[in-house]
Amino acid sequence: NAGVTQTPKFQVLKTGQSMTLQCAQDMNHEYMSWYRQDPGMGLRLIHYSVGAGITDQGEVPNGYNVSRSTTEDFPLRLLSAAPSQTSVYFCASSDAGGSGNTIYFGEGSWLTVV
Amino acid sequence: GENVEQHPSTLSVQEGDSAVIKCTYSDSASNYFPWYKQELGKGPQLIIDIRSNVGEKKDQRIAVTLNKTAKHFSLHITETQPEDSAVYFCAVGFGGSQGNLIFGKGTKLSVKP
Repeated sequence: NAGVTQTPKFQVLKTGQSMTLQCAQDMNHEYMSWYRQDPGMGLRLIHYSVGAGITDQGEVPNGYNVSRSTTEDFPLRLLSAAPSQTSVYFCASSDAGGSGNTIYFGEGSWLTVV
Repeated sequence: GENVEQHPSTLSVQEGDSAVIKCTYSDSASNYFPWYKQELGKGPQLIIDIRSNVGEKKDQRIAVTLNKTAKHFSLHITETQPEDSAVYFCAVGFGGSQGNLIFGKGTKLSVKP
């Protein structure tokens, strides 16, 4: 039972480069989301999806794109990386049925933009 | 929008003592209040949660209390052990969307043997 799987675990980018953080879940969850975690800031919601084909912005969406072509996958794209995007990124998923469902997090992706 | 304040930011206790972490929130419509534990290099793990129709919930050494009138909820850990050392985050479910959370900034708990 893999749960929520994120790749890569670590990545160093140069300013202006693009990359995609991958996220996959094997629990058939409708809801998926991406958070970033910065020192002293807790976790902040970037984008989320309530089902395949549906995405929406969270608290800090600028500089990031997402898509949800399948239930299992929810990639996060950085089109032109900036040093301010240096952070730890967490993908999460939960079952459908309204707020209050348990949210499961991946192990995180450490991104450094130089 | 929703605002979540968490205190204290660091907490050091002796093994066997109790630890209490408190969070306050601003949106009275919020109805879901989970607590997460995060160990170094790992993702957050849910340890306990409470919904707005309940005032208290307990799971072995961990309990959460909710005061909806005052808009605060607290995590209580009794008989602390060194393996309880971690960063703890409170969160508040909001907006009616499935699973969106606003997190507190975290409490680093150190349990000294």
